[in-house]
Amino acid sequence: GQNIDQPTEMTATEGAIVQINCTYQTSGFNGLFWYQQHAGEAPTFLSYNVLDGLEEKGRFSSFLSRSKGYSYLLLKELQMKDSASYLCAVRSSNSGNTPLVFGKGTRLSVIA
Amino acid sequence: DGGITQSPKYLFRKEGQNVTLSCEQNLNHDAMYWYRQDPGQGLRLIYYSQIVNDFQKGDIAEGYSVSREKKESFPLTVTSAQKNPTAFYLCASRPPTGARTTGELFFGEGSRLTVL
Repeated sequence: GQNIDQPTEMTATEGAIVQINCTYQTSGFNGLFWYQQHAGEAPTFLSYNVLDGLEEKGRFSSFLSRSKGYSYLLLKELQMKDSASYLCAVRSSNSGNTPLVFGKGTRLSVIA
Repeated sequence: DGGITQSPKYLFRKEGQNVTLSCEQNLNHDAMYWYRQDPGQGLRLIYYSQIVNDFQKGDIAEGYSVSREKKESFPLTVTSAQKNPTAFYLCASRPPTGARTTGELFFGEGSRLTVL
C-alpha cells in the first residue's frame, strides 16, 4: 500500500523557522513534491526532490532522504501569509503520468 | 493566459440528483486528474486520464463518472450513487514528462459541492 504521514497541525512565530516533516512508504519512488494550499484555494507547487539532499528556493527549502523514506520542508523568516496547509505528495512509479499520492496535509498557523 | 478553469465554483444539489463539474485547460497537457478533498483527509484521487478517449479509476471512483472526448476537457459527473458527495473537488493537469520538467500538477481553483 501507499502511506504518507505528516503532522496534522503546527504553530510557529512570525520571523522564526519551522520544519514540516513527511515520511512515506510507497511501492516505488520517482519524486516527492511539496504544495502550499490556503484555505478554500487550489494547491500551488513549492518544491520537488527526486535525489537525496537539499533543494533551496528563497525562504523555502526541501530535503529528501530516499533510504529513510523521509522529507522535510523548511520555511525561514516566517510571515503571516505563510499560514496555510502544506501537502506532501509522492510519485510512486517511473511512469511519468502516474498520479501523485498525497498526505493529509499539515496546517501551519503563524502567530505574531 | 494559460491555465485550468473549473466551474462552477460553488454548487448546491439535492439528494438523488446527478451533477457535472467542468474542467477545461489550455495548457496543451495530455494528463488530467480529478481529486476530492475533505477536511482532514488530504487529496484523494477519483479518476485520471493520460490521453484523449482514455481514463482510469483512482482510489475512490465509485459514484463518479468521467469522459475525455477532447484534450482540453475532462468533466466529472457526481452521480446519485455517491454516498457522501459534499466535498471540495480539484481538477489538475500535468505537462509531458521531460528532462526539464518536474512533472508537478497544475490545479484549477476547485469546485465546492454541497448536497442538501
